[in-house]
Amino acid sequence: QKEVEQNSGPLSVPEGAIASLNCTYSDRGSQSFFWYRQYSGKSPELIMSIYSNGDKEDGRFTAQLNKASQYVSLLIRDSQPSDSATYLCAVTRDTGRRALTFGSGTRLQVQP
Amino acid sequence: DGGITQSPKYLFRKEGQNVTLSCEQNLNHDAMYWYRQDPGQGLRLIYYSQIVNDFQKGDIAEGYSVSREKKESFPLTVTSAQKNPTAFYLCASSSAGYTEAFFGQGTRLTVV
Repeated sequence: QKEVEQNSGPLSVPEGAIASLNCTYSDRGSQSFFWYRQYSGKSPELIMSIYSNGDKEDGRFTAQLNKASQYVSLLIRDSQPSDSATYLCAVTRDTGRRALTFGSGTRLQVQP
Repeated sequence: DGGITQSPKYLFRKEGQNVTLSCEQNLNHDAMYWYRQDPGQGLRLIYYSQIVNDFQKGDIAEGYSVSREKKESFPLTVTSAQKNPTAFYLCASSSAGYTEAFFGQGTRLTVV
């Protein structure tokens, strides 16, 4: 079982729709959770971080965390063609090995 | 401008040759990381360092070596023992007490 699992996609949504990206993790000791966006051929860019259960909103992005279910999600409202990228979920502990563990990413395609 | 600089952007290695990838940051971050990304895959941790003169193996350290003699620098050597080195190499850093990491632009290594 992979430590961080994501559906590889592609997830295809029409412009203006809500894109929903999901991630599950296996380490119950994980305390910090992140979403990175990676355009083809480029390095990952941090777009959201979340540390406690519930929702966290930043502009068109909402991260949701449920530690009991070991589940993290990212919602992108009013999706734009420029949102087309691979979205990487990453988790880490706050003690011990404090390095991010990444999922393999979900490719999002926003159709104009 | 503050940031993480990786060089070179593209690197070609002959079979049996060692090569060193550079990573420099001027963000005053304590922790630095090296990840490897293969096509269509997530990021896998090679080595990480939480403080100067100390570093830890990640999940795929075999065939790689690092040093951390200065806070701002964390070079990665890909040795001839690494049998399949062709990949996209990403360096990241984070501030003490925080786990969110920021990435350099990456080095694409190809064996010829």
